[in-house]
Amino acid sequence: EAQVTQNPRYLITVTGKKLTVTCSQNMNHEYMSWYRQDPGLGLRQIYYSMNVEVTDKGDVPEGYKVSRKEKRNFPLILESPSPNQTSLYFCASRGDQGTEAFFGQGTRLTVV
Amino acid sequence: DAKTTQPPSMDCAEGRAANLPCNHSTISGNEYVYWYRQIHSQGPQYIIHGLKNNETNEMASLIITEDRKSSTLILPHATLRDTAVYYCIVRAYTGTASKLTFGTGTRLQVTL
Repeated sequence: EAQVTQNPRYLITVTGKKLTVTCSQNMNHEYMSWYRQDPGLGLRQIYYSMNVEVTDKGDVPEGYKVSRKEKRNFPLILESPSPNQTSLYFCASRGDQGTEAFFGQGTRLTVV
Repeated sequence: DAKTTQPPSMDCAEGRAANLPCNHSTISGNEYVYWYRQIHSQGPQYIIHGLKNNETNEMASLIITEDRKSSTLILPHATLRDTAVYYCIVRAYTGTASKLTFGTGTRLQVTL
């Protein structure tokens, strides 16, 4: 089954404690991206990757890092989380043409 | 990518057709119209996309006006499970930037 898998689904952490949210896809897609969703602000892109070792900033990259060492994985790293990064995060992937994007089930992060 | 305008909310009786409009008056010739939906806080789900011809799949139909400045997503027989936020997005089919720009969408409430 084609899917994008994020882990964990829920996470509560404290300010400043580094964390990683993993994302993996099984469709051999070139493009992967991370979004955050906040009430009233909708979905905003954080980072995206066009292929292995190729990443670029989206609209709201501050406070986040990503890596793309393998085609299937695209982890989101928060080196020093702050309360304003409390949000619902989604990972997405799609093929190299304008085909449909597949989204993960989301990670609800709370930073206290 | 062109900007879209959608009504913030709509209601539809179960079993009836739901017609969700979208205005994209600044759409460019190489931009497609995509529709996604988000049920509660799940990951967005692809529904359909098109360039200028009407399209139909197992989920919905997409009607694009001849001047391409607006479109309508039709759910032919809405069910309670179709209650969701529906997003209309326009973007180029190819290109290096893999960004879906989500607006605020239309919240569709299907009622008994």
